[in-house]
Amino acid sequence: DADVTQTPRNRITKTGKRIMLECSQTKGHDRMYWYRQDPGLGLQLIYYSFDVKDINKGEISDGYSVSRQAQAKFSLSLESAIPNQTALYFCATSEGTGGEETQYFGPGTRLLVL
Amino acid sequence: RKEVEQDPGPFNVPEGATVAFNCTYSNSASQSFFWYRQDCRKEPKLLMSVYSSGNEDGRFTAQLNRASQYISLLIRDSKLSDSATYLCVVERGGFKTIFGAGTRLFVKA
Repeated sequence: DADVTQTPRNRITKTGKRIMLECSQTKGHDRMYWYRQDPGLGLQLIYYSFDVKDINKGEISDGYSVSRQAQAKFSLSLESAIPNQTALYFCATSEGTGGEETQYFGPGTRLLVL
Repeated sequence: RKEVEQDPGPFNVPEGATVAFNCTYSNSASQSFFWYRQDCRKEPKLLMSVYSSGNEDGRFTAQLNRASQYISLLIRDSKLSDSATYLCVVERGGFKTIFGAGTRLFVKA
């Protein structure tokens, strides 16, 4: 089984709808992240969480919210989806021991907002 | 100007060739450096960390030049399976990880 899983893997929704993307991990890592990837751009950080009580905005948090329900679960919500939120979304985890941090990514969720 | 810049490519090389990618970063406070590999429609995966002394892992060699603020990745004896996008990743203190947009490599038979 994969260490970092994301659901759904693909989603089509309409403008104005609220949707939630979910991420679960079995790696036992404290740190979790949400990124979006657009063609020709690098991964952009939306939100990150260093533990259950610690949530931080990334560089492009507007229009998104998150919830860290447990160490293993970190969900991303789009309160009112808009077409420019069409992208590939990745969840990632890292151990949180400090120093160099390898990030482990989930398989991604492809979101299309019509 | 982007904080981490990479040549998007694509680099088209024959099997067995040697190919090198560079990545430049603008923030001199950057502390850690990595190369990730991303296959088409898949998640990024760590390829290797990059150290000032340079490091090698099989056919892959990574170098860091702090004075000129760039990192490089050299792939020797390219295989078809090396075809992917290579992401340069730079980490600053206070948690700030910047991903480059990636360099696409196609290795052809």
